[in-house]
This record gives sequence, C-alpha cells and structure tokens, in this order.
Amino acid sequence: QSVLTQPPSASGTPGQRVTISCSGSRSNIGGNTINWYQHLPGTAPKLLIHSTNERPPGVPDRFSGSKSGTAASLAISGLQSEDEADYYCATWDDSLKGVLFGGGTKLTVL
Amino acid sequence: EVQLLESGGGLVQPGGSLRLSCAASGFTFSSSAMSWVRQSPGKGLEWVSTISGSAIRTFYADSVKGRLTISRDNSKNTLYLQINSLRAEDTALYHCAKGVHSSSWYTYDSWGQGTLVTVSS
Repeated sequence: QSVLTQPPSASGTPGQRVTISCSGSRSNIGGNTINWYQHLPGTAPKLLIHSTNERPPGVPDRFSGSKSGTAASLAISGLQSEDEADYYCATWDDSLKGVLFGGGTKLTVL
Repeated sequence: EVQLLESGGGLVQPGGSLRLSCAASGFTFSSSAMSWVRQSPGKGLEWVSTISGSAIRTFYADSVKGRLTISRDNSKNTLYLQINSLRAEDTALYHCAKGVHSSSWYTYDSWGQGTLVTVSS
C-alpha cells in the first residue's frame, strides 16, 4: 500500500482528455513539488512532468500537471494510442526523509 | 548522450549479498545525484536509495535501511548498491536513475534499463 494513492487504472478513447490523481498528505504532496513518470513495460521510465507543472524538453503540451493541497493530478488531452502506459507520481516526504512513488496508474487507450 | 548501464544482478540465495553497479557516461557524473529505483514483478516503482553528487548525503527507504549501502566513485563515473541479507521481497529489476542536479532527490531525467535481482533458494 503506497503512501501516495493513485487509481490502479484509467482509460479513454483517442482524442479524449483523461486525468490521473495522486493523493497524499501534508508531509509529502502538501509541502513539495510533484513529478510524474511514464513507464512503458520493458523500457526505462521517462520523466513527464517535474516541479508539479513543468514539462521537460520534448514532452508534448498535451501533458500537464497540477496540485491543490495534498492532491496532485496529471492531465492528458488529445489522448493517443502511444500514451498507453503506466504513470507514476513521485515526491519527497519530509517526515520519512525519503522519496515516495505512487502505486501507479495503468492507462488504457480504448 | 546520457547512458546508464547497470550490472551485477543475478540469482542469489536468501541471506546472500550482491553489489550492483551503474556505469554512467555522457554527463558530468559528480554534478548529479544518483538513485536506485526497483520494480518487483507485477508491482510498481519503488524508490530504494539516493546519494548526492558529492556523496556527502545518502537516503534510504525504510524497507531496506540497514541492509543496503549506496556509494559512488566519481573518478570512475560509477554508482554502486551493496545489498546484504537478501530476502525474497528484494527480487526486482533495479534501475539506476540520474538526478537533474547534485541534490535532486526525486527528479530523474535519465534511467537505465535495469539489472534483475532474483532471490530464491
């Protein structure tokens, strides 16, 4: 059971907008920035969003991140088949003095 | 081009030890914090440990504290993870990951493909 809670699955059709949530507490999401990673099985994970809402070079602006209080969200607009992957939120926990990953959300493009 | 190449995984009996290595190239190694993140079969990503660029600061997940030691040799551009008293639950693909700067504990802009550790008798 992860300290950061994500829905195990999400789905959408091509062109749709989907959001993936990540719920935590004051010691983690509430006081730190959030990163999102995209992971396709058999490949190395990829940094998708950093500093809560910043995209690294090369990441399409279809991907966006946000945070409110102790919850964060990843939004994907204009869903494409290649977006089918596992998505993880990550942040620092001030109490644990360590890094937390969410349990991951498997996104299916129908 | 940043490259991270892990090695040292394998099949080991419970209670045994392993030392994983991650050879880095394509960037100034000492300027980046480095981390180990693992993924057990059928499970999600789990952070294991992080070391600062200068090696002064280290952090460990509670689940591995006391059994793992992270270290680095900046002269060899190599990251290490010593795992002792291996347990079945340590079975996982271990990735090394590069932090975006020397004290970047959880922002990883490059990852290796991983080395597989299997703990079984």
